[in-house]
Amino acid sequence: SQQGEEDPQALSIQEGENATMNCSYKTSINNLQWYRQNSGRGLVHLILIRSNEREKHSGRLRVTLDTSKKSSSLLITASRAADTASYFCATVAIRSNDYKLSFGAGTTVTVRA
Amino acid sequence: NAGVMQNPRHLVRRRGQEARLRCSPMKGHSHVYWYRQLPEEGLKFMVYLQKENIIDESGMPKERFSAEFPKEGPSILRIQQVVRGDSAAYFCASSDTRDTQYFGPGTRLLVL
Repeated sequence: SQQGEEDPQALSIQEGENATMNCSYKTSINNLQWYRQNSGRGLVHLILIRSNEREKHSGRLRVTLDTSKKSSSLLITASRAADTASYFCATVAIRSNDYKLSFGAGTTVTVRA
Repeated sequence: NAGVMQNPRHLVRRRGQEARLRCSPMKGHSHVYWYRQLPEEGLKFMVYLQKENIIDESGMPKERFSAEFPKEGPSILRIQQVVRGDSAAYFCASSDTRDTQYFGPGTRLLVL
């Protein structure tokens, strides 16, 4: 079964609005990572947050991590058309070897011009 | 600094043929990972290799699939006697430590 599950499955917003998506996972983790995938392309690493961190920023991205609820959120502020993509969270479980990424099914974000 | 390179980008095979997917990691990276993505799904871990060693192949199907990362040259994922269910996108990733993995553009395999 998938370790990370994103919510919502799909999100449509107007350019300039913020986009928020959530990720829930089942087992304790070493770290959680967010990736972006444009249609038909590879994955681009966005941000990594470790289990002892609560929040992290990178440009227009803000990631939070709540290990007590086993959840994370990704916020994209001031969205642009180029942000249209699928976003995946991936976790590294604390009991596995620290390389195996477990991905959710992703959130598909559409930014309307 | 070139990123992770995969070729071919698209591969069409008939049932029963062999598929060979190649992955060249980023310069300086000695860890290679293969993942498979079925339509509308997330990526699933297949195998983790270092030079000349398979470290973890727990995600590989028991039959027909094999992977290698020789001392020289790219990592190869080989699928023998392909079936329609093998149609998917296969992604390779590399890292210099066991931290952030950088992904290639993927090979999209279509089995007719």
